[in-house]
Amino acid sequence: GAGVSQTPSNKVTEKGKYVELRCDPISGHTALYWYRQSLGQGPEFLIYFQGTGAADDSGLPNDRFFAVRPEGSVSTLKIQRTERGDSAVYLCASSLTSTGTGELFFGEGSRLTVL
Amino acid sequence: ILNVEQSPQSLHVQEGDSTNFTCSFPSSNFYALHWYRWETAKSPEALFVMTLNGDEKKKGRISATLNTKEGYSYLYIKGSQPEDSATYLCAFMKDTGNQFYFGTGTSLTVIP
Repeated sequence: GAGVSQTPSNKVTEKGKYVELRCDPISGHTALYWYRQSLGQGPEFLIYFQGTGAADDSGLPNDRFFAVRPEGSVSTLKIQRTERGDSAVYLCASSLTSTGTGELFFGEGSRLTVL
Repeated sequence: ILNVEQSPQSLHVQEGDSTNFTCSFPSSNFYALHWYRWETAKSPEALFVMTLNGDEKKKGRISATLNTKEGYSYLYIKGSQPEDSATYLCAFMKDTGNQFYFGTGTSLTVIP
């Protein structure tokens, strides 16, 4: 399809395990964002890529979280030693422009549950 | 910490009623304000991108206004329909940096 694709849609894991979440943005979109939404909260910024580089990773909560976008398209969010507090919906969005004037196109999210 | 607040948190309206809700954001360092609609089991979809003080945008029965000097935006829905039921999110971008700051959303339920 032509939209933003996120996999898996649902992931249940045990505390302490490693998890990877994948985002395939719209072709040609250079800007890519990861957000996390916990219950009752708005989406919380994690990291922003412009091309291959992480232009702003100030939202990553700690060093257990890491994200890459090696070829400037697909991005992977990696979470080590998962904790119950990591349970949330992880949203990926891409945009044609890196400024605030371009709308964000979101995937359907990856729901992570850490038991 | 940058606060973007939306009110009300939720509301229920009858089909055919008009409604509106608010997004409040810092009045300094404004760059852009987005509105998104997020239906259950779907991905958020953009409604409006607003950048200028006094902007008014319209898409069908939905419209939005922007006041950057006082730091608020209103979203209006005229003649609500059941398919308007969704969570409406606003997202603020300041003039430094590239991240969007989202509100917690307004959950709208339109009762047939």
